[in-house]
Amino acid sequence: DAGVIQSPRHEVTEMGQEVTLRCKPISGHNSLFWYRQTMMRGLELLIYFNNNVPIDDSGMPEDRFSAKMPNASFSTLKIQPSEPRDSAVYFCASSKSGTGNQPQHFGDGTRLSIL
Amino acid sequence: SQQGEEDPQALSIQEGENATMNCSYKTSINNLQWYRQNSGRGLVHLILIRSNEREKHSGRLRVTLDTSKKSSSLLITASRAADTASYFCATDLLNNNDMRFGAGTRLTVKP
Repeated sequence: DAGVIQSPRHEVTEMGQEVTLRCKPISGHNSLFWYRQTMMRGLELLIYFNNNVPIDDSGMPEDRFSAKMPNASFSTLKIQPSEPRDSAVYFCASSKSGTGNQPQHFGDGTRLSIL
Repeated sequence: SQQGEEDPQALSIQEGENATMNCSYKTSINNLQWYRQNSGRGLVHLILIRSNEREKHSGRLRVTLDTSKKSSSLLITASRAADTASYFCATDLLNNNDMRFGAGTRLTVKP
């Protein structure tokens, strides 16, 4: 079975540019999570969706960040405009439910570098 | 914000030895999970332990949970070089279902 698929794997762009990260969750999973990982702050939950509806976006750093889930098989995380401090690895994960009684399945991440 | 804190931050052992990593958390939880992350990859789920459980095993892995001390431990027995990775605990708070991850323990197993 295919796991969580993220694209691109690497993105290098100049500050001010719009960045779009993509995620395809595991089929049948109804919860999707976006995380950001840095050395300084570790793994941070940005937002999570349940049945395509955003449930908790309190981790989204600021208005420059937005996430959508138009259907059960696709989600995007957009940064506009991007800044150097947004450089990090961004992970998408999915699970059968949004509660902590189910394991989360992670993609391999998008390594984002903002110059 | 992080909920769990792993201890130690880094651990280096010889192949064949046991590795013990600890996780402490601040508020009551429903479940606690352990994950592993190899360099450049996403996290992989290892074990889930519920708040009413005290111990769980999976192969060479043994997880304990002490809710009175708000702590958990992950024991890897007979470690192998392939166990080299970062290990994270994650908790879901009693009144908030999303998961919070700790900062992780970096385990190095020398051949």
